Amino acid sequence: GENVEQHPSTLSVQEGDSAVIKCTYSDSASNYFPWYKQELGKRPQLIIDIRSNVGEKKDQRIAVTLNKTAKHFSLHITETQPEDSAVYFCAADFTGNQFYFGTGTSLTVIP
Amino acid sequence: DTAVSQTPKYLVTQMGNDKSIKCEQNLGHDTMYWYKQDSKKFLKIMFSYNNKELIINETVPNRFSPKSPDKAHLNLHINSLELGDSAVYFCASSPQQHHYGYTFGSGTRLTVV
Repeated sequence: GENVEQHPSTLSVQEGDSAVIKCTYSDSASNYFPWYKQELGKRPQLIIDIRSNVGEKKDQRIAVTLNKTAKHFSLHITETQPEDSAVYFCAADFTGNQFYFGTGTSLTVIP
Repeated sequence: DTAVSQTPKYLVTQMGNDKSIKCEQNLGHDTMYWYKQDSKKFLKIMFSYNNKELIINETVPNRFSPKSPDKAHLNLHINSLELGDSAVYFCASSPQQHHYGYTFGSGTRLTVV
């Protein structure tokens, strides 16, 4: 069936280093790829998204890249800070009105 | 002024009971959703609904039913609660089906004892 795979499941980085989270999707018709950040005990919040007609999008310290041919997209966080520690989810829209999330990456930024 | 609000925030109930979770959005969005987040943090879609169409994830037991009195509300009713229903349930909304990011509610932590 349709799915989104996300790696790694956990990631620890030193403050100031970069973090990269990767996702692959199965439906070549997917057009919209958002990323969400969920802090402990809180709701997921949209932090950045990308559409299929764009290869890269950047917003300050975060960026997302998309490779439609390979069906994968990645989140890049530069100059990480302790407040970046959270669970990050990728997602992709599918045909048939389904919208699937990746399994999440728990990011820990070590001060 | 909360954009997507859910009540209650916490719900503890016994097996076999029937319970409802309410969700309201004041964003004027067309589509609302219910997601279940289990202990491993997996986010799984349960329903998506706009004023025309209800899409049900086929893996959701029919003990779960969404009820929408109007465009701004999508409540979740659960019959005959089971231990495995314990999870955090998130309501969300978006302006257009699956082509814009969701705004999530604050979640309802359901514990079945």
